[in-house]
Amino acid sequence: GIQVEQSPPDLILQEGANSTLRCNFSDSVNNLQWFHQNPWGQLINLFYIPSGTKQNGRLSATTVATERYSLLYISSSQTTDSGVYFCAVGGSQGNLIFGKGTKLSVKP
Amino acid sequence: SAVISQKPSRDICQRGTSLTIQCQVDSQVTMMFWYRQQPGQSLTLIATANQGSEATYESGFVIDKFPISRPNLTFSTLTVSNMSPEDSSIYLCSVEGVWGRAEAFFGQGTRLTVV
Repeated sequence: GIQVEQSPPDLILQEGANSTLRCNFSDSVNNLQWFHQNPWGQLINLFYIPSGTKQNGRLSATTVATERYSLLYISSSQTTDSGVYFCAVGGSQGNLIFGKGTKLSVKP
Repeated sequence: SAVISQKPSRDICQRGTSLTIQCQVDSQVTMMFWYRQQPGQSLTLIATANQGSEATYESGFVIDKFPISRPNLTFSTLTVSNMSPEDSSIYLCSVEGVWGRAEAFFGQGTRLTVV
């Protein structure tokens, strides 16, 4: 099946710093999403981005489908950005296949 | 606004007992998905809950351990049966392609601890 790899696994930032999270996938996809899981376990959908670039406030994402990767950019990070960021791609059942996530800690 | 309500949000259960988790969506959906997230791990699909037919289970998950009901297009339950400490996880329900949106939405999750 399709493999999803995320990097880095862990990231520690000072408040105000910028960061880039990467997601590589092993096969072509027509569904790619980025999620943020907060410390309480809630998964929030950040972007549905099978291709192209989107921006939402301090966050933006780019997927280059032909090269099988996606990037999530976080600018001017805040402590509330802490948590785990997951990349997920569409599976054969209509489900999502998740990467292992990037754990982000933003220090004040 | 769009809502997926999952209950309970957390529970502490004795080994050998069962827990039923409920997931209610405020819109009709064809497929609902149940995921497990073991401590410090990513999400793994348990099964796809189809209305009007038996759930489809992923490799490593069986109906006797994780029976699923899907009585209508807005509701599903997942039961974790004969629990052991290894079942301690977050369980999440999910839907996709509703409210005119392509992305997936998740319930709040059920944080289960088995003692």
